[in-house]
Amino acid sequence: AQSVAQPEDQVNVAEGNPLTVKCTYSVSGNPYLFWYVQYPNRGLQFLLKYITGDNLVKGSYGFEAEFNKSQTSFHLKKPSALVSDSALYFCAHNTGGFKTIFGAGTRLFVKA
Amino acid sequence: EPEVTQTPSHQVTQMGQEVILRCVPISNHLYFYWYRQILGQKVEFLVSFYNNEISEKSEIFDDQFSVERPDGSNFTLKIRSTKLEDSAMYFCASSEGPRRDEKLFFGSGTQLSVL
Repeated sequence: AQSVAQPEDQVNVAEGNPLTVKCTYSVSGNPYLFWYVQYPNRGLQFLLKYITGDNLVKGSYGFEAEFNKSQTSFHLKKPSALVSDSALYFCAHNTGGFKTIFGAGTRLFVKA
Repeated sequence: EPEVTQTPSHQVTQMGQEVILRCVPISNHLYFYWYRQILGQKVEFLVSFYNNEISEKSEIFDDQFSVERPDGSNFTLKIRSTKLEDSAMYFCASSEGPRRDEKLFFGSGTQLSVL
């Protein structure tokens, strides 16, 4: 079965420090990977997606993600965290057809 | 940016009752989805819908669930006889097309509580 995994329930980082939210995938065929963010009482918002051939993908709000085929990973990164980045982050993969599957989510807490 | 809107934001119902959750997808989008998120758990795919037909559904989407596009703007999820375990946040989403790299636009969700 295809899946995406987020090994950390929560990530804590100090404001101004770099952040990484981890995602690994197990898919058949090519990966179609996404990151979404969920703020309290809001729906998920698209951050970025993997584009074939680009191992470093840039997205909204200064976020980027590094695709690593050999490690089957797609980690979300930001060079300098803001308190306002505190939210729930989901890694996702479109399995083909009309279905996207999501990881369990990682709560990011940025401390001032 | 255009938004997906969902109503109501909260719905409380008694076990065994029918509920209808409503969504207005983005106007030029053609593909519609329902997801749910049980508190503290992952976001789960329920169903996708295109051209007035279900395109794909998960094992969660059993005979108690149905979807409909009753007019040109609304997209609804009906649960015929709610169970306690149906309590969750239900998200509607839409996309322009079916490409695998297409991003989804989500509504703010309906929190369903079954008592």
